[in-house]
Amino acid sequence: GIQVEQSPPDLILQEGANSTLRCNFSDSVNNLQWFHQNPWGQLINLFYIPSGTKQNGRLSATTVATERYSLLYISSSQTTDSGVYFCAVGLNDYKLSFGAGTTVTVRA
Amino acid sequence: DAGVTQSPTHLIKTRGQHVTLRCSPISGHKSVSWYQQVLGQGPQFIFQYYEKEERGRGNFPDRFSARQFPNYSSELNVNALLLGDSALYLCASSLPKPYEQYFGPGTRLTVT
Repeated sequence: GIQVEQSPPDLILQEGANSTLRCNFSDSVNNLQWFHQNPWGQLINLFYIPSGTKQNGRLSATTVATERYSLLYISSSQTTDSGVYFCAVGLNDYKLSFGAGTTVTVRA
Repeated sequence: DAGVTQSPTHLIKTRGQHVTLRCSPISGHKSVSWYQQVLGQGPQFIFQYYEKEERGRGNFPDRFSARQFPNYSSELNVNALLLGDSALYLCASSLPKPYEQYFGPGTRLTVT
């Protein structure tokens, strides 16, 4: 199966700081999603981005499919950004392979 | 529009028992996938159903089974529960295209 590596595993930020999360994957994919998991376990969709660049408020993401990586940017971080961020990839709609996640802690 | 819904929210079972978890997809979505997430790890794919047919199965034992109903809702069944089955069980629904999956809030299963 497709291997997904996320880095760093943990990230501690001061409120207002910027950060970059990385996702490397081992094969060509047709599906790449970024999620934020809240403390209750709900996976919140951030981006569906098999290729290209997207922005949503303070968050943006870039996927370079030919080089098999994706980046998630958090700008001007807030305490509400804390949680676990997952990258998930797949060849189609039915099986996503998840990375181990990046745990982000934003301190006030 | 309502998102993906799952029931129950929490469940406590004893080793050897059987459990049924339920999922209702977003209206118009015909595909339902199930994932297991143990503490500290990313979710692992268990099953996907599309139009009531199994399209894919992850590396899980035969104790795990699922089905999809005519209204596209789905059930995940686990027999002969083990302590290691304790996890958050997530359901996701999607359209054929684009491939984006949307997740429900999960069912937290504890096996004692």
